[in-house]
Amino acid sequence: GAVVSQHPSRVICKSGTSVKIECRSLDFQATTMFWYRQFPKKSLMLMATSNEGSKATYEQGVEKDKFLINHASLTLSTLTVTSAHPEDSSFYICSARGVVSSGGAYTQYFGPGTRLTVL
Amino acid sequence: AQSVTQLGSHVSVSEGALVLLRCNYSSSVPPYLFWYVQYPNQGLQLLLKYTSAATLVKGINGFEAEFKKSETSFHLTKPSAHMSDAAEYFCAVSVNTGGFKTIFGAGTRLFVKA
Repeated sequence: GAVVSQHPSRVICKSGTSVKIECRSLDFQATTMFWYRQFPKKSLMLMATSNEGSKATYEQGVEKDKFLINHASLTLSTLTVTSAHPEDSSFYICSARGVVSSGGAYTQYFGPGTRLTVL
Repeated sequence: AQSVTQLGSHVSVSEGALVLLRCNYSSSVPPYLFWYVQYPNQGLQLLLKYTSAATLVKGINGFEAEFKKSETSFHLTKPSAHMSDAAEYFCAVSVNTGGFKTIFGAGTRLFVKA
């Protein structure tokens, strides 16, 4: 089946540094990618939606200068947490939407998530 | 705007008992509805989805859900719980209103007692 990968799976960084998380669709082209944030024991909160080659659309309350999203190709999107602080510590999950097989329906697939810990 | 409400943040059942996880949605346009399962420190796994075809949807691991438009509900059931079903379950609604978006409910933690 379709796979979405994220790298790294876990990252620990010092406060003030920037962290980049990659999201790749491995066997399909993702016309749209999504980034979610999940706090401990909480649900997934949509942060932003991005279409290949265009600027991301951020949800209300999400700082676009803080969370930089780049969707440079149909198989890669990156989320950069700039000047990270302890309150940015969270589980970040990406999702990719596309058609896996010719004639198939658009389906959304989720990555395994990245655990960010900011010290 | 769409929204999802999951009734009960925690549900506890005995092994072999019926599992019922409740989900109600709100949407101004016909929605697609999903149930996902998440095990600790892992991503989401799709259990099943409703996409305007049959109202009773069968998914993996013996789960099924019924779309009831009149009740705006999409409850998840499984006739007999197994210990391995213990996890967090999320109901989600997707709509396409000039852009595709998926919104998740708050989640329900399922505990299965031996």
